[in-house]
Amino acid sequence: GENVEQHPSTLSVQEGDSAVIKCTYSDSASNYFPWYKQELGKGPQLIIDIRSNVGEKKDQRIAVTLNKTAKHFSLHITETQPEDSAVYFCAASRGNNRLAFGKGNQVVVIP
Amino acid sequence: GAVVSQHPSRVICKSGTSVKIECRSLDFQATTMFWYRQFPKQSLMLMATSNEGSKATYEQGVEKDKFLINHASLTLSTLTVTSAHPEDSSFYICSAVDSGFSNQPQHFGDGTRLSIL
Repeated sequence: GENVEQHPSTLSVQEGDSAVIKCTYSDSASNYFPWYKQELGKGPQLIIDIRSNVGEKKDQRIAVTLNKTAKHFSLHITETQPEDSAVYFCAASRGNNRLAFGKGNQVVVIP
Repeated sequence: GAVVSQHPSRVICKSGTSVKIECRSLDFQATTMFWYRQFPKQSLMLMATSNEGSKATYEQGVEKDKFLINHASLTLSTLTVTSAHPEDSSFYICSAVDSGFSNQPQHFGDGTRLSIL
């Protein structure tokens, strides 16, 4: 089955700086890659997703890039704010709506 | 749009009690819902896939008689933890997918914190 690796496990950034989280996947048939943000005690919230027919997608301060050849995708958060502090999960799917999740990344934005 | 409501948000009960958790898609129809379990500081572990009008598909190692899933309508799936014991204490989260197409986002509920005394 699909194996999704997520690095780093913890990331601390100064407010205003950029944060980058990288994920790799193993199944070349995977074609859908969402990113979720989970705040303490809540369920994951979809923040951005990308399909395999594009290489980059942006939504305000958040962007995702996909390298199908290398089988990795990254989340970029620019101008980080304290409310960006959360756990971020990447995931991959091969089109059956079933997701394989990474282990999560704790992002801490230091005011 | 794409709101998923999960109820209750927290349950504390005695060992041996059965607990039912509801997952509702509020503004869309969900042919498929998923149930996850999450331990502290860990990722989501898929327990089962719930399909409207058919039996749920359970992941390896998940006891179907322990975790009963019912998906009777396009907007509601329920998970019943039968005869719960302290080791069943966990954070249970559901998600729902809008329509039967592929590569659709899963939208998550806010989870149920289950504590068995």
